[in-house]
Amino acid sequence: GIQVEQSPPDLILQEGANSTLRCNFSDSVNNLQWFHQNPWGQLINLFYIPSGTKQNGRLSATTVATERYSLLYISSSQTTDSGVYFCAVRGSTLGRLYFGRGTQLTVWP
Amino acid sequence: DTGVSQDPRHKITKRGQNVTFRCDPISEHNRLYWYRQTLGQGPEFLTYFQNEAQLEKSRLLSDRFSAERPKGSFSTLEIQRTEQGDSAMYLCASSSIRGPGGYTFGSGTRLTVV
Repeated sequence: GIQVEQSPPDLILQEGANSTLRCNFSDSVNNLQWFHQNPWGQLINLFYIPSGTKQNGRLSATTVATERYSLLYISSSQTTDSGVYFCAVRGSTLGRLYFGRGTQLTVWP
Repeated sequence: DTGVSQDPRHKITKRGQNVTFRCDPISEHNRLYWYRQTLGQGPEFLTYFQNEAQLEKSRLLSDRFSAERPKGSFSTLEIQRTEQGDSAMYLCASSSIRGPGGYTFGSGTRLTVV
């Protein structure tokens, strides 16, 4: 299967700070998503981004498929950004998503 | 579009009992997936359906686990003779074979085996 590595595993920030989360993957993919898992366990889709750059408010993401990595940027972080951020990818032929172990983000007021 | 619904949200059961979870996907999505997540880990794939056909099963899906999607709409995941190691969050997701290909997850069913 495809290996997905996320870094850093933990990130602690003060409100207002910016951060960058990284996702490396081991094979070519045709689907890459960033999710935020809320305290109740639901995975909230942030970006569907198999390539290119997208922005949504304070969040943006970039995927460089040829170099097999993706970055999630969070600007002016807020306490509500706290939680676990997952990167997930899908290979070319299978239906399943492969997840990384996530980045636990804690934002302090 | 009401999203992906899962029922129940929480289930506590005694070891050895059988449990069944239900997932209702987004109505126009023809692919449905089951994942399991334990504490501190990312979700792990269990199985997926395209319409009513079960196309792939993980080795994690032991013979005590069975999933169905009888009419290509909702799906059920049954665990027989539950063990403490089955305690986890069970997540369902759906996607469309058409369109951009993103997955939408439900809120999950948290199973505790005591």
